[in-house]
Amino acid sequence: SQQGEEDPQALSIQEGENATMNCSYKTSINNLQWYRQNSGRGLVHLILIRSNEREKHSGRLRVTLDTSKKSSSLLITASRAADTASYFCALTGGGNKLTFGTGTQLKVEL
Amino acid sequence: DTAVSQTPKYLVTQMGNDKSIKCEQNLGHDTMYWYKQDSKKFLKIMFSYNNKELIINETVPNRFSPKSPDKAHLNLHINSLELGDSAVYFCASSPGTVTEAFFGQGTRLTVV
Repeated sequence: SQQGEEDPQALSIQEGENATMNCSYKTSINNLQWYRQNSGRGLVHLILIRSNEREKHSGRLRVTLDTSKKSSSLLITASRAADTASYFCALTGGGNKLTFGTGTQLKVEL
Repeated sequence: DTAVSQTPKYLVTQMGNDKSIKCEQNLGHDTMYWYKQDSKKFLKIMFSYNNKELIINETVPNRFSPKSPDKAHLNLHINSLELGDSAVYFCASSPGTVTEAFFGQGTRLTVV
C-alpha cells in the first residue's frame, strides 16, 4: 500500500512548544506533501518535498525526508493555538495518485 | 473568489435515494479528484480526472459515477444511497497529477 502511516495519532502541547509529526511509508515516491485540515474544513497544502530533497523550510515549518528509511517528519516551531488541526502526509508515487496518511491530530493549548 | 467550490455543503437524505454533488474549480487546473473522508478522518481517493478523462478509478461501487463535462467541473452522482455512504466528500484539483492539490470545503453526506 502507498498509504503513509503517521505517528503520533494525537499530540497535545502548550503554546510556544515545538510539535513534531512523523510519516512512514513503504513504496517509492516521487514526492511527499503535508496538508493541514482545520475542523470542519477542507485540506490546505503546506509544503511539498521531492524525493531528491532532504529538508525544506516554510515559515515555522520544517520538513525532512529520508528516502532510505522511507520516512518524513514535519516540525512546527513555536506553536500557536491556531495551529490546532489535523495534519496529513500525502504521497505521490506510481499511478499518479495522491494518497493520504492516517493523520495526526494536534492540539495546542494556551 | 473560491478556488474549488462544492455544492451542497450538507446533504441529508434517505436510503435508496439518488443524489449529486457538484464541484467547480476556477484555477485552470487539468486534474480533479474526489476523495471520501470517513468518521476516523481517513481520506481515500475515489476518482481522478485529467482534462475530462478518467485516469484513476479506485475500488468504488458502481453506484458512484463521476462526470466531467469540462475540465473545470467534476460532479459526483450516487445512486441507491446506503447508510455506509455517510461521510464527507471532498473535491480537489491540481495543475498536474504529482503536484499540490487544492481542496474544496467538503460535502457532509448523511444517509438516514
